[in-house]
Amino acid sequence: SQTIHQWPATLVQPVGSPLSLECTVEGTSNPNLYWYRQAAGRGLQLLFYSVGIGQISSEVPQNLSASRPQDRQFILSSKKLLLSDSGFYLCAWNRLPEAFFGQGTRLTVV
Amino acid sequence: AQSVTQLGSHVSVSEGALVLLRCNYSSSVPPYLFWYVQYPNQGLQLLLKYTTGATLVKGINGFEAEFKKSETSFHLTKPSAHMSDAAEYFCAVIDTSYGKLTFGQGTILTVHP
Repeated sequence: SQTIHQWPATLVQPVGSPLSLECTVEGTSNPNLYWYRQAAGRGLQLLFYSVGIGQISSEVPQNLSASRPQDRQFILSSKKLLLSDSGFYLCAWNRLPEAFFGQGTRLTVV
Repeated sequence: AQSVTQLGSHVSVSEGALVLLRCNYSSSVPPYLFWYVQYPNQGLQLLLKYTTGATLVKGINGFEAEFKKSETSFHLTKPSAHMSDAAEYFCAVIDTSYGKLTFGQGTILTVHP
């Protein structure tokens, strides 16, 4: 069966520090991968998606970047965090017509 | 472009009462529609989905939703609320070209004893 791992579960980082969130998928190959963010009191917003290694599409302008160094690995990064980067980050992959989500990372920037 | 609107950011019901969470969508192609539930600090769990076929879709935990094309709606219902149903619920539509989900703003369901 397919599994999606996302870590860490929670993270508290100071403003200006770097960020690296990792997501890996098991049990499938060449998945489409996604990063979503849920800010406090707001819905889920798609940040990035990737259809293959090294292929990244950004949905919204922001302080974050994404990379896909391996087929089943998707990384969300920032060089310098902002307060507004706080939120709940979810990694996902899909097998149409469904999407499958990781357990999320709660990021608090202080 | 696709969009989803959930009417009511907060819904409160009594235990045993009917649950109705509203969702309207906009899509230029026949939509694939979803309802997800999110418990605090957890990921999203799929409740049910509509792709093709029967317009009344049954999901987990006693939830169901009806796809009404003429009303562009996909409302979620449950005949009798349980305390464990308290969570945030998201309606979503998927872009079948790239598998991107567009979510509504979410509805927080509170269940009172």
